[in-house]
Amino acid sequence: DGGITQSPKYLFRKEGQNVTLSCEQNLNHDAMYWYRQDPGQGLRLIYYSQIVNDFQKGDIAEGYSVSREKKESFPLTVTSAQKNPTAFYLCASSMMRQNIQYFGAGTRLSVL
Amino acid sequence: KNEVEQSPQNLTAQEGEFITINCSYSVGISALHWLQQHPGGGIVSLFMLSSGKKKHGRLIATINIQEKHSSLHITASHPRDSAVYICAVGGGADGLTFGKGTHLIIQP
Repeated sequence: DGGITQSPKYLFRKEGQNVTLSCEQNLNHDAMYWYRQDPGQGLRLIYYSQIVNDFQKGDIAEGYSVSREKKESFPLTVTSAQKNPTAFYLCASSMMRQNIQYFGAGTRLSVL
Repeated sequence: KNEVEQSPQNLTAQEGEFITINCSYSVGISALHWLQQHPGGGIVSLFMLSSGKKKHGRLIATINIQEKHSSLHITASHPRDSAVYICAVGGGADGLTFGKGTHLIIQP
């Protein structure tokens, strides 16, 4: 079945530690996105990528980094510079220049 | 940047009731999305609208481009419809702008 796979489902970070959230899609989509969701707030865009080896900052990119070495994969690293990383993180993908986005199941990140 | 407002924020209704959730946005768009987020967190795309009306089962979505307003209706509501419903606008290569969501609870 085609879809988007995020892992892990739950992740814990220690102070000063970098952690990486995985996002893989087998939909052959060109564009991929990372969103952050906090209680009582709408999803906010962290980073997006329209093509392999290229990505752009979204509204809240500080403290995060991404890579897009393969079309299928768009991992998100939450660095130690992100002072408030506890949130629900959602990955999405879409065909280039089309509007329908498909979402993964999400990763819930907490700080120990 | 587009502002997306949803109402109500919370809605509790009895099984069988007709449900309406509203979404307004500030800047003209090419497409509006309705999404459903279940308690586990996963998000499913329900509709993408650029004009008029769409229907899928008991769900109906309408959009008025001139008024910058959309509604999501649920007919014959059921407890399994309990979820957070999210309106989002924009899209294409640079992502969507999301409303804060409407938390719907349908009681048996």
